[in-house]
Amino acid sequence: EAGVAQSPRYKIIEKRQSVAFWCNPISGHATLYWYQQILGQGPKLLIQFQNNGVVDDSQLPKDRFSAERLKGVDSTLKIQPAKLEDSAVYLCASSPGLAGGVGMAGELFFGEGSRLTVL
Amino acid sequence: SQQGEEDPQALSIQEGENATMNCSYKTSINNLQWYRQNSGRGLVHLILIRSNEREKHSGRLRVTLDTSKKSSSLLITASRAADTASYFCATDAGGTSYGKLTFGQGTILTVHP
Repeated sequence: EAGVAQSPRYKIIEKRQSVAFWCNPISGHATLYWYQQILGQGPKLLIQFQNNGVVDDSQLPKDRFSAERLKGVDSTLKIQPAKLEDSAVYLCASSPGLAGGVGMAGELFFGEGSRLTVL
Repeated sequence: SQQGEEDPQALSIQEGENATMNCSYKTSINNLQWYRQNSGRGLVHLILIRSNEREKHSGRLRVTLDTSKKSSSLLITASRAADTASYFCATDAGGTSYGKLTFGQGTILTVHP
């Protein structure tokens, strides 16, 4: 089966510009995540969708970041305006849903990521 | 915030040796997962261990979980150069976190041929 698709793989912009990343999860996966991974660190969750509803966006800097998941399939993550500290890899992941019927996280399937450099 | 803390931050071994990485976390969990990340790539799931399990095996991987100490270890036996990667533990805290996975800082493993 096809994996999680992300684009673009690389993007270089200047500060205060805007950028958008796109993610197409594995077909049928209900849960979609956006993670930010700064060089040398572990991924940090930005937002989690269950179908087309937001489950958790507590760590999303809402003054500059926005995300949507139309029709519960593809998702876009937008940054406007970008800051230098937004330089990172933006990882999209999906999972079939919540395991065990009790809200337990199962295995996540990650895309290759979109590397953003803000100059 | 990062829930899991991996130790060591970096590990360098020879091919054929075993590699052990540790993860400590702060809150109670539903499950703990380990992922591998090759340089410039996405993360790949390795193994999941539930809170009521103490040990799990998958091929050359062995994971242990001690909920009383809030710690887990990942053992890779008979390592190969292809095992060179970063390894992350991730915890599902359950409750209102509702399927949210929190990752640690990772251990960079280098296996020399």
